Amino acid sequence: GAGVSQTPSNKVTEKGKYVELRCDPISGHTALYWYRQSLGQGPEFLIYFQGTGAADDSGLPNDRFFAVRPEGSVSTLKIQRTERGDSAVYLCASSLGSGATDTQYFGPGTRLTVL
Amino acid sequence: EDKVVQSPLSLVVHEGDTVTLNCSYEVTNFRSLLWYKQEKKAPTFLFMLTSSGIEKKSGRLSSILDKKELFSILNITATQTGDSAVYLCAARAQGAQKLVFGQGTRLTINP
Repeated sequence: GAGVSQTPSNKVTEKGKYVELRCDPISGHTALYWYRQSLGQGPEFLIYFQGTGAADDSGLPNDRFFAVRPEGSVSTLKIQRTERGDSAVYLCASSLGSGATDTQYFGPGTRLTVL
Repeated sequence: EDKVVQSPLSLVVHEGDTVTLNCSYEVTNFRSLLWYKQEKKAPTFLFMLTSSGIEKKSGRLSSILDKKELFSILNITATQTGDSAVYLCAARAQGAQKLVFGQGTRLTINP
């Protein structure tokens, strides 16, 4: 079956602009995660959804970052007033459930470049 | 703060060599450790380890966890150029959903 998909694959924007990044999880997966990966680093957790609700948003760096998952499937990560430091690959992952042995499967990511 | 450290950060070997990648962790209420392979963008799942001393194996790759010494190793035998990638180690705490990742080890296999 299809894996996690993310659009766009690349996004170039100017400092101060607003961007939206989309994630389509694996069908039937109830849990969805956003991570951010800077060059040469491992992914860093941003937010986790169980169904429609954000169960853990402790990784969001500040209030310019917001994410939604209104129908419990597709999720959108929204970044307001982008800054050059927001440039990174934004990875989305999903898992069947939230149990201790549920594996997170990652999408290909969106590479965001803020000029 | 929970932390995962991988070593070496970079490794270059010849095809056919055996490599060992290291991952140490400091995680409150540790539950599991995961290994991923990242070739271009999407990390792909390799192993999940929850119990000490039990080796997980898939083809030429194997991994083991030591919960007393708080580390894991990933072994790759008879390496091939297709094994070239960044290998990521991540830890998860009991009751938590987020993965805490290390920096990754960039492995390059030369023909």
